[in-house]
Amino acid sequence: DVKVTQSSRYLVKRTGEKVFLECVQDMDHENMFWYRQDPGLGLRLIYFSYDVKMKEKGDIPEGYSVSREKKERFSLILESASTNQTSMYLCASINQENYEQYFGPGTRLTVT
Amino acid sequence: KNEVEQSPQNLTAQEGEFITINCSYSVGISALHWLQQHPGGGIVSLFMLSSGKKKHGRLIATINIQEKHSSLHITASHPRDSAVYICAVTSLQGAQKLVFGQGTRLTINP
Repeated sequence: DVKVTQSSRYLVKRTGEKVFLECVQDMDHENMFWYRQDPGLGLRLIYFSYDVKMKEKGDIPEGYSVSREKKERFSLILESASTNQTSMYLCASINQENYEQYFGPGTRLTVT
Repeated sequence: KNEVEQSPQNLTAQEGEFITINCSYSVGISALHWLQQHPGGGIVSLFMLSSGKKKHGRLIATINIQEKHSSLHITASHPRDSAVYICAVTSLQGAQKLVFGQGTRLTINP
């Protein structure tokens, strides 16, 4: 059974803290994505990676960075969390052969 | 104007009704996806299609490439179908990024 897993379902952090959100896929996919989902705004792409150590900015990269040291793991980093980063964060990977996307369960992050 | 537009944004129906959700897009695509998200839940891929029609149980998805339009149909709707349905396209440009519609919130009343 193919899987994309995320390190936490719920997370509460304080303003200014450094936050790591981790995503792991077991399908040997090269392309991985981080999205955030907000009411009324839908899903927006933060960063994506198309290979180990390769990354590209998505539509809303400000305040975020990413790390892809191993093919199966793609981490999203909030260097200094702010309240406007309270959101649902979703990781996904894609099968390049048939374009099918697989989503993780999501991490609901609250920054207080 | 968004590159992917869904309609309606909200839909409430009675159990058993036939449901249609529409999606129009304005970019060249390699595939179109229909996704489902239950309240508080993760996103599940229902269909991925690049032409024609696909059926899975009570769900049917169609796409018209020339008209840049897709529909998701639910036959004999049930309260457990209540969810947000999201249309997304894999753009021809970029590293297979998805471009999302705003979603349709479907509520099926018993």
